[in-house]
Amino acid sequence: NAGVTQTPKFRVLKTGQSMTLLCAQDMNHEYMYWYRQDPGMGLRLIHYSVGEGTTAKGEVPDGYNVSRLKKQNFLLGLESAAPSQTSVYFCATYWRDSGANVLTFGAGSRLTVL
Amino acid sequence: KNQVEQSPQSLIILEGKNCTLQCNYTVSPFSNLRWYKQDTGRGPVSLTIMTFSENTKSNGRYTATLDADTKQSSLHITASQLSDSASYICVVRRGPDQGNLIFGKGTKLSVKP
Repeated sequence: NAGVTQTPKFRVLKTGQSMTLLCAQDMNHEYMYWYRQDPGMGLRLIHYSVGEGTTAKGEVPDGYNVSRLKKQNFLLGLESAAPSQTSVYFCATYWRDSGANVLTFGAGSRLTVL
Repeated sequence: KNQVEQSPQSLIILEGKNCTLQCNYTVSPFSNLRWYKQDTGRGPVSLTIMTFSENTKSNGRYTATLDADTKQSSLHITASQLSDSASYICVVRRGPDQGNLIFGKGTKLSVKP
């Protein structure tokens, strides 16, 4: 049982390049989230999904796109990377019937945009 | 504005000492509050959750309190260990929407031998 797996763990991009971060979960959780974490700031929600085929914008969605074609996978895409997107990205999942907002986080993906 | 403020930003204590971390929130409507521990280079892990009707809850050496009237929560760590060195994040859920979680910026705790 791997829980929440993020790939890649590290990536360096040049400005304007595109890439996709993959979040995979094996817990059959309905809700999945993408956050970014920057020094001196709290975790900020980029996009989230409440189920297969659905996505919604979070606090800082600009410059990112997401897709949830399969329940177990949540993809975060950067079409044209910018230095401001240098950050650590965390994926998290949640099961709505748990009765509490306990999130299970992945280990993070560190992205540097030059 | 819905905000979660944590203090102090960082804290250094000696192994074996106690410490208390603070979380003040202005989130409305309040649903619940959860404390997470984030080790360096890892994702946050839940420590405990506080609902509106709960005042105190313990999880081993960690004790969380909640005062819903003053909108304050604290996390007390007893007999600190080197492994307690981490960032502690307070997260408040606003209303029923599972996407509406307000994160504090965290308190970075360093426990020195």
